[in-house]
Amino acid sequence: NAGVMQNPRHLVRRRGQEARLRCSPMKGHSHVYWYRQLPEEGLKFMVYLQKENIIDESGMPKERFSAEFPKEGPSILRIQQVVRGDSAAYFCASSPTSGGLNEQFFGPGTRLTVL
Amino acid sequence: QKEVEQNSGPLSVPEGAIASLNCTYSDRVSQSFFWYRQYSGKSPELIMSIYSNGDKEDGRFTAQLNKASQYVSLLIRDSQPSDSATYLCAVKPSSSASKIIFGSGTRLSIRP
Repeated sequence: NAGVMQNPRHLVRRRGQEARLRCSPMKGHSHVYWYRQLPEEGLKFMVYLQKENIIDESGMPKERFSAEFPKEGPSILRIQQVVRGDSAAYFCASSPTSGGLNEQFFGPGTRLTVL
Repeated sequence: QKEVEQNSGPLSVPEGAIASLNCTYSDRVSQSFFWYRQYSGKSPELIMSIYSNGDKEDGRFTAQLNKASQYVSLLIRDSQPSDSATYLCAVKPSSSASKIIFGSGTRLSIRP
């Protein structure tokens, strides 16, 4: 009964490159959420997706960031032309529903370092 | 005013004592409330969720919710050194169908 899976666990990019972060939700979960955590700060919501739909992207920066959750395969968070300020831990969470308690379970995270 | 506020700590508690962590929120009609534990360099781990006024107990953990005061707390009984971590309070606001808002966390240190 695998939990939320994320890869890679660590990613190093040079300024201007693209970063692709992948997330597979827990079995039976169809709701995926991405959060960013800067060093010594709390978690900031970025985007909420269901299969083939972006439901809430109110926390996504307007430029360079995009997310998808295709019918088949993992959810992808893509950061184009990375800058040093993008260095952070990116966590994916999943839940079985969006209503009710909406308990979200987190993956191990991807730690992005931009050189 | 932040949507979810926590004292950043560190909160130092002797081993075996009760650790009390507090959180306030701004959205009066928020629906669901969560406590996550996060060890340094690790991901958040859900330890308690609560949505009704009153207390909810699970092992050594008790979550307390007071919607009138917009206050939620977490008590840890018989504190152990392994409880040393950052505790994140999270709230599902009424305006959101899905996302939850996190506080910045309270660092808890259990001293032997």
